[in-house]
Order: sequence, then C-alpha cells, then structure tokens
Amino acid sequence: RKEVEQDPGPFNVPEGATVAFNCTYSNSASQSFFWYRQDCRKEPKLLMSVYSSGNEDGRFTAQLNRASQYISLLIRDSKLSDSATYLCVVNGESGYSTLTFGKGTMLLVSP
Amino acid sequence: GAGVSQSPSNKVTEKGKDVELRCDPISGHTALYWYRQSLGQGLEFLIYFQGNSAPDKSGLPSDRFSAERTGGSVSTLTIQRTQQEDSAVYLCASSLGGLSQGNQPQHFGDGTRLSIL
Repeated sequence: RKEVEQDPGPFNVPEGATVAFNCTYSNSASQSFFWYRQDCRKEPKLLMSVYSSGNEDGRFTAQLNRASQYISLLIRDSKLSDSATYLCVVNGESGYSTLTFGKGTMLLVSP
Repeated sequence: GAGVSQSPSNKVTEKGKDVELRCDPISGHTALYWYRQSLGQGLEFLIYFQGNSAPDKSGLPSDRFSAERTGGSVSTLTIQRTQQEDSAVYLCASSLGGLSQGNQPQHFGDGTRLSIL
C-alpha cells in the first residue's frame, strides 16, 4: 500500500460545482496533515492544514478521519481559478520523520 | 519578497558533471527541506534540516547526493557525477519549526529545473 494515496483524476467539473478529493495514508502514527495546491509547472503552495476536528476556510473544507486514515478536501462553488493539482501531505510520527506527498489530484474547472 | 529563494532557476548540464543547487529559506525559519519532482510525478522527499543538522537523510537517492546547511540559513544540494535520471525540478521549502512541532506548513521556493543531457 502506498504511503499516501490519492485519486489521480483529472476531475472535470463545471463552474459552481462542488467537488471532493479523498486521500488515504498508511502510517497510523501520522500527526500532521495538509492540503497543498500546485499549478502547472509551479511550486506547491499550502492551501490549508487539516485539524482533527475538521476545518473550513471559505469555500474549502478539510476533514480528517484518524480511524479510517482518511483525509478529504471539499471545494464548494468551484471557480475557474481552482483548476490545479491538489496534493495531500502527511508527516510521520512526531519527531524527525519524512513528509510524504501524494501524487496529487488534478482538478479542471470549466466555464 | 521574503519568500524562499532558489538558484539557479534553470540548469542544463552534461551527464557526469557535478551541480550545486542553492536554497535561501525564509528568514527565521529553522527547518529546511529538499524535494524533487520528476515530470508528471509527485514530490519526492530528499532531506530535512533542523538548524544545521540533518536528522533525516533517508530520501537521498544515492551517495552522489549530498546537502549541507550553514549558519542555520542557506543550504546547498550537491549532485555529483550527474545522470540523466537526475533530471527533475528540485524544490526547497522552509518552515518556522521542525517536524517535531506539530502542524508546521512548508513554504516552497520556485524550484530549480535541472536537465541532464
């Protein structure tokens, strides 16, 4: 099983749609979770951290299910500018450990 | 601005040559990370620095790869005797604290696009 697994997509949605990305991770001791977005040929940029209780930032909602080792990102009212690859990022045990990136899910929002 | 700065932005070199990539993190960020991203692939972790020490070198793909950080600031990633499979974008990121300090988001530089002929 891959350490961090995401649906590769692409997800093609019309403007205004709601889209959900899922991510599973294999290390049950993982402590920190993030969603990054990466535009084509650009560096990843932090979208939001994921907290145990779930968190929301405008149109974006992130949730964590530790029991199922599952993270989700929900985007409501999609905009053209949301088109990007969304990367699920997980770190390992507390202390020094690698940060593992999923391969990302591509989102294409069309007019 | 005051973001993570990487140089050069592009590097083309012949197979077998050595290359040195530089990363200047955000001022005050104690943790620094190197990744690489091959075309169409996810990010691959290479090495992590906390201050000047590298507690995790597990991602370095071979002994041709080395990295150092001095003064708790600038870091260099050196690839010796480059091979064609080393061609990738090498990304550097920094964070305020290390991985032991909970949710510490990383801020990325623009990357160095390395092409080995």
